[in-house]
Amino acid sequence: NAGVTQTPKFQVLKTGQSMTLQCAQDMNHEYMSWYRQDPGMGLRLIHYSVGAGITDQGEVPNGYNVSRSTTEDFPLRLLSAAPSQTSVYFCASSYREGTTEAFFGQGTRLTVV
Amino acid sequence: GQQVMQIPQYQHVQEGEDFTTYCNSSTTLSNIQWYKQRPGGHPVFLIQLVKSGEVKKQKRLTFQFGEAKKNSSLHITATQTTDVGTYFCAGYPNSGYALNFGKGTSLLVTP
Repeated sequence: NAGVTQTPKFQVLKTGQSMTLQCAQDMNHEYMSWYRQDPGMGLRLIHYSVGAGITDQGEVPNGYNVSRSTTEDFPLRLLSAAPSQTSVYFCASSYREGTTEAFFGQGTRLTVV
Repeated sequence: GQQVMQIPQYQHVQEGEDFTTYCNSSTTLSNIQWYKQRPGGHPVFLIQLVKSGEVKKQKRLTFQFGEAKKNSSLHITATQTTDVGTYFCAGYPNSGYALNFGKGTSLLVTP
């Protein structure tokens, strides 16, 4: 099994550009989430989904959109990139929300210049 | 909102010394999970604690969940260079919607 696959691994954007970070899992997990990791800040929840068609905001949702049209995929969209969005982004999935092991993707290192 | 505080932020030990990181929540937790992230890597699940006062061991690692289910600790006995990384606790609140991660403790082990 591939587990959780994130693409791309690295990305440089100019301020104002938009892009989509891809996340796919092949474990048939209902729960998926996006985190950003900044030095000294730990992992902060951006958006999450408890199943296809259902999404909700986390701690730091501003500037990001998500959708969940299938169980497998949970893309994260940056609408108009800002330097403050420079970060490492992790997608995670789990069988059940919060009470089972979360599997993380390899991460996307995003730089906005 | 729920806060999960983790201390210390950094710890530098000599190989063979013990290491402990502590996690405290402002609210009662349904369960707590621990993850390890190697430098340049992604978080990897270590363990989940569910019961009040629970203690679990994985070789040199000992995990504890407090009686009030608001605090937890990870203790590593006789650290090795392979223990280097950042250790995160993540609490799932009784009435919450998602795991709330602490900021992590970065462990550096020098031989």
